[in-house]
Amino acid sequence: KQEVTQIPAALSVPEGENLVLNCSFTDSAIYNLQWFRQDPGKGLTSLLLIQSSQREQTSGRLNASLDKSSGRSTLYIAASQPGDSATYLCAVTKTTDSWGKLQFGAGTQVVVTP
Amino acid sequence: NAGVTQTPKFQVLKTGQSMTLQCAQDMNHNSMYWYRQDPGMGLRLIYYSASEGTTDKGEVPNGYNVSRLNKREFSLRLESAAPSQTSVYFCASTPRGGNTEAFFGQGTRLTVV
Repeated sequence: KQEVTQIPAALSVPEGENLVLNCSFTDSAIYNLQWFRQDPGKGLTSLLLIQSSQREQTSGRLNASLDKSSGRSTLYIAASQPGDSATYLCAVTKTTDSWGKLQFGAGTQVVVTP
Repeated sequence: NAGVTQTPKFQVLKTGQSMTLQCAQDMNHNSMYWYRQDPGMGLRLIYYSASEGTTDKGEVPNGYNVSRLNKREFSLRLESAAPSQTSVYFCASTPRGGNTEAFFGQGTRLTVV
């Protein structure tokens, strides 16, 4: 059974520092991996989608890497801002599942202090 | 552009009561999903609908039923609510299954007393 883990559960950094968020998964047979952002009391917003054949994806200040062989993905957020404060979740889709069922980690709660 | 819309946003039920959570998407997506989110845990899949006319169980389907009314709408029903079903429920959709990003609604916060 696929298990997705995010450590640490919470993180606080001063504004301007780079953020590094980790996601690990036990079964490397994944179709893709997504990073989401969740603001308090809100739904999830997809930030980046990495296909299993890709090593990384970039969008603005965000960069996500994927290492299937080691079962790890890292989300980098450059020059953090207070507006980056949120919970970040990663989720994987299994290779055998073409219907997009997501297996989530519990998330990392990020606070960026001014 | 509304995206994925869920109603209601908040609900309090007594144990044993029934209710239906509504979800509609206006993006012409084929696949729709219901997840629940509990403190300290990631989201867990309850049911999904790969395409109009089909539904299937996810990881935690017990105590729930679903209906894919048409391509736009996917409802989740609790027939006899239990305190263990206190959670935040999210509906999501994707254009065509697993190869694309998922879009989520704002969630329904359900409390069963």
